[in-house]
Amino acid sequence: GQQVMQIPQYQHVQEGEDFTTYCNSSTTLSNIQWYKQRPGGHPVFLIQLVKSGEVKKQKRLTFQFGEAKKNSSLHITATQTTDVGTYFCAELNTGTASKLTFGTGTRLQVTL
Amino acid sequence: NAGVTQTPKFQVLKTGQSMTLQCAQDMNHNSMYWYRQDPGMGLRLIYYSASEGTTDKGEVPNGYNVSRLNKREFSLRLESAAPSQTSVYFCASSEAGWNRPQHFGDGTRLSIL
Repeated sequence: GQQVMQIPQYQHVQEGEDFTTYCNSSTTLSNIQWYKQRPGGHPVFLIQLVKSGEVKKQKRLTFQFGEAKKNSSLHITATQTTDVGTYFCAELNTGTASKLTFGTGTRLQVTL
Repeated sequence: NAGVTQTPKFQVLKTGQSMTLQCAQDMNHNSMYWYRQDPGMGLRLIYYSASEGTTDKGEVPNGYNVSRLNKREFSLRLESAAPSQTSVYFCASSEAGWNRPQHFGDGTRLSIL
């Protein structure tokens, strides 16, 4: 089946440092969605990337889709304690519903 | 606006017991999904329903059944619970179409002894 690998599994940063998580696939991705899950919470949709080389920004978050559509990244500039959580990329499968294959996630811990 | 509501929030079962997890959404979404989340494994799709009246298997359907009762409700049933089904279960919904964001409920934390 499809596999979406996500690295690193865990990262601990000090507040103000930058953070990046990477999502890699062995096959071409039709589109990528990113979700954030706070500790004890549920996944919350952040963004969707569709086009090759696409870059989207949400305040301190920058999302990128690779030129070959086989990888994606999420970069957070100047992390804050509110950024704590697990970030998942999810590959969209074709079909009549938005079937997603989630990556294993990157857990981000931010300390003062 | 409640979004996606799951009940119960917590449950402990004994091996062999049966149980139905309930999910309801008030966003008039066509598609609904059930996932399980285990430590270090992300979310895995159990079953989904692209629209009212249809259900399909996901990645890990064994040991589960689903019912799309109407457009709002999508239930997940464990007929004979096993310890391997201890997990956090999330229900989600999305608008019709293949590239829509999913909206998740708060989850059901299920332990099977």
